[in-house]
Amino acid sequence: SAVISQKPSRDICQRGTSLTIQCQVDSQVTMMFWYRQQPGQSLTLIATANQGSEATYESGFVIDKFPISRPNLTFSTLTVSNMSPEDSSIYLCSVEDQRGRSYEQYFGPGTRLTVT
Amino acid sequence: AQKITQTQPGMFVQEKEAVTLDCTYDTSDQSYGLFWYKQPSSGEMIFLIYQGSYDEQNATEGRYSLNFQKARKSANLVISASQLGDSAMYFCMIQGAQKLVFGQGTRLTINP
Repeated sequence: SAVISQKPSRDICQRGTSLTIQCQVDSQVTMMFWYRQQPGQSLTLIATANQGSEATYESGFVIDKFPISRPNLTFSTLTVSNMSPEDSSIYLCSVEDQRGRSYEQYFGPGTRLTVT
Repeated sequence: AQKITQTQPGMFVQEKEAVTLDCTYDTSDQSYGLFWYKQPSSGEMIFLIYQGSYDEQNATEGRYSLNFQKARKSANLVISASQLGDSAMYFCMIQGAQKLVFGQGTRLTINP
């Protein structure tokens, strides 16, 4: 299984600032996903990031607010821009690994963001 | 559009009993995958099991099995011989051609 790390693990930020979250995988993967989990809620997909192409954003999420980079097959960043308290959430990246006809998705440990 | 429904917000089970967590889904995709994840209080998301829509046999992974009933669009997770460490949130997720959606989750509590 893929091993995924995220930095930072948590942060407290002032409103109006931006935070860049890093996601590092120990193997090359084609698809990486970024999620948001608001307090007490389920996970919501923000965008899918494929290397060499623009990220694909889900409804309700825009590139200006959540710019994503995917410079290579093992790394991606998500920036939360111009933050407000409503952005306080856990942000998780995940990768997909195909094993024959089976798929597995593995998650990073998450970044717990608090915006004050 | 895809949708996942988990109708049990919370469940309480005695240790060593089997437990079934319900998941129904809706999708217009012919090919899709169904996943179950465990999220303990630490917040990490732990992959448990995967079922492909064309798989004829139910998936199994150790104490976890997936009761896949395609015609009824259900993908229930069965945990056999529950343990105290199974206490966590459990999420069902569907991945189709264009979209990936999580259910609202079921909080499972295992009582000693």
